[in-house]
Amino acid sequence: QSVLTQPPSVSGAPGQRVTISCTGSSSNIGAGYDVHWYQQLPGTAPKLLIYGNSNRPSGVPDRFSGSKSGTSASLAITGLQAEDEADYYCQSYDSSLRVFGGGTKLTVL
Amino acid sequence: EVQLVESGGGVVRPGGSLRLSCAASGFTFDDYGMSWVRQAPGKGLEWVSGINWNGGSTGYADSVKGRFTISRDNAKNSLYLQMNSLRAEDTALYHCARDLWYSRGYYMDVWGKGTTVTVSS
Repeated sequence: QSVLTQPPSVSGAPGQRVTISCTGSSSNIGAGYDVHWYQQLPGTAPKLLIYGNSNRPSGVPDRFSGSKSGTSASLAITGLQAEDEADYYCQSYDSSLRVFGGGTKLTVL
Repeated sequence: EVQLVESGGGVVRPGGSLRLSCAASGFTFDDYGMSWVRQAPGKGLEWVSGINWNGGSTGYADSVKGRFTISRDNAKNSLYLQMNSLRAEDTALYHCARDLWYSRGYYMDVWGKGTTVTVSS
């Protein structure tokens, strides 16, 4: 049971917009700690996708965006592409621990 | 090029020990904290342990506290994870990652490809 809750899977057709939610609590996201997102393509190491709720590292397309409100956060992907098919994880901070969501598998139809 | 390369994984019996290493290159190692994150087969990411830039502050997930010890050697640009009393549930791919801390938490901006630990009799 992960501290942060994500839907196990989402899907969308090429060109569509999808969102992935990340729900926490008053001890992590709701306590003011930021949310970060990672993309893990099949068979590869995780890659930082969004940091500090909504900031993109250099090289990450602006099709990816993040937001946070209250005890939840969301990752949005617009203009869905086949290469976006991957696992996505949210991460925050809670009681001196880094905590991850259980991950969401994105399928591009 | 910023790079992290893990080594030291293998097959070990329950109750055994293993020491993982992570060699860092392409950045000033002692400017950064570091973490170990694992991924059991077919499962999600689990943060295992973290250490600050000089080794003076460490943290552990409850699942490994008292069994695993994180350390670093800044002269060798290396991070370590000493794993004792290993259990079947410790079987996973172990990644090292560069930790960035700021007032509103931590995140990991560079990841290694990982080294596999299998605990089995």
